[in-house]
Amino acid sequence: SQTIHQWPATLVQPVGSPLSLECTVEGTSNPNLYWYRQAAGRGLQLLFYSVGIGQISSEVPQNLSASRPQDRQFILSSKKLLLSDSGFYLCAWRDSYNTEAFFGQGTRLTVV
Amino acid sequence: GQQVMQIPQYQHVQEGEDFTTYCNSSTTLSNIQWYKQRPGGHPVFLIQLVKSGEVKKQKRLTFQFGEAKKNSSLHITATQTTDVGTYFCASGGYNFNKFYFGSGTKLNVKP
Repeated sequence: SQTIHQWPATLVQPVGSPLSLECTVEGTSNPNLYWYRQAAGRGLQLLFYSVGIGQISSEVPQNLSASRPQDRQFILSSKKLLLSDSGFYLCAWRDSYNTEAFFGQGTRLTVV
Repeated sequence: GQQVMQIPQYQHVQEGEDFTTYCNSSTTLSNIQWYKQRPGGHPVFLIQLVKSGEVKKQKRLTFQFGEAKKNSSLHITATQTTDVGTYFCASGGYNFNKFYFGSGTKLNVKP
């Protein structure tokens, strides 16, 4: 069966520090991968999606970047965090356009 | 990005009352999915609607897809405290790789 791992669960980082969040999927190949951000009490904002290794599409220009070095690995990064980067970051995968999205447990990031 | 508007933003009901959340798009959708996110958790898939005018039921939950495939609704009959959470609609439109979520409706049920 397919599983998705996302870590860490919580993170407190100072302003200006770098960020690296990792997400891995098991049990499927060539999934579509997604990073979403959810501000407190708000909806899910699509940040990046990827349809294959090295292929990244950015939805919102901001202080973040994403990479997909392997088929089932998706990384969200920042060189210098801002206070506004705080939020709940969710990784998700889908194996084709008409199937459900499976989410990781999420990372709650607080930038201080 | 694709605009999928969802209303209301919040809904507070007494246990036993009904609840409805609505999603509207300015463009025709290829399909629409519904998710539930419990407080502190991650979204979990509930259902997918594909056909124009489609209606699906899951126990006390009824999902509808509009005839023009531009709107959808989720109706919960006789809410229970276990229904508490945020309900999202989601769709990729006709770009099968992007996947957008509505703004969500946060449901609070008072016992």
